[in-house]
Amino acid sequence: EDKVVQSPLSLVVHEGDTVTLNCSYEVTNFRSLLWYKQEKKAPTFLFMLTSSGIEKKSGRLSSILDKKELFSILNITATQTGDSAVYLCAVDPNRDDKIIFGKGTRLHILP
Amino acid sequence: NAGVMQNPRHLVRRRGQEARLRCSPMKGHSHVYWYRQLPEEGLKFMVYLQKENIIDESGMPKERFSAEFPKEGPSILRIQQVVRGDSAAYFCASSPTGYPTGELFFGEGSRLTVL
Repeated sequence: EDKVVQSPLSLVVHEGDTVTLNCSYEVTNFRSLLWYKQEKKAPTFLFMLTSSGIEKKSGRLSSILDKKELFSILNITATQTGDSAVYLCAVDPNRDDKIIFGKGTRLHILP
Repeated sequence: NAGVMQNPRHLVRRRGQEARLRCSPMKGHSHVYWYRQLPEEGLKFMVYLQKENIIDESGMPKERFSAEFPKEGPSILRIQQVVRGDSAAYFCASSPTGYPTGELFFGEGSRLTVL
């Protein structure tokens, strides 16, 4: 069965810290891995990763994929209180158009 | 340029009643996906629809749940004879193409509470 596992499930850090969120997956076929940020409303798209070893960056956020070890990490540097959210990892298994989501990592940034 | 619009945002039903959740995709998007999010859980796929067609409903419970996306109007997720376990946030997402490029556009969700 295809699955996506995120860790930690929750994380509390102080403003300014750097955090690393983990996502491992098991899928029969793989097309891409996706990261979303969910605050109180809709998940918003952060990154799509398809190739190993190529880092994607957007401001203080970056992500990289390891297709050999089947995981991805999402890094946030110099965290701010506005980074507090649930970060969702999802995998597109290139089958039936279903994107499979992990349970998310709940990140809380203390001022 | 309105995003994905869902309504109602909050819905309270008693056990046995029906719940109807609506989703209007982004302009120009003809592909709609419904996800359910239980407390402390990830998003779980329910159904994928194009205009007038159900493409994949493998995530839908076999009974009481149905979805449609008519030629005109929003997509509707219908839950008949609701039970307490149906309480969840239901998210709709849309994309412009049938094979998502990854950038699904999500609505803000409809939160169903079953008393």
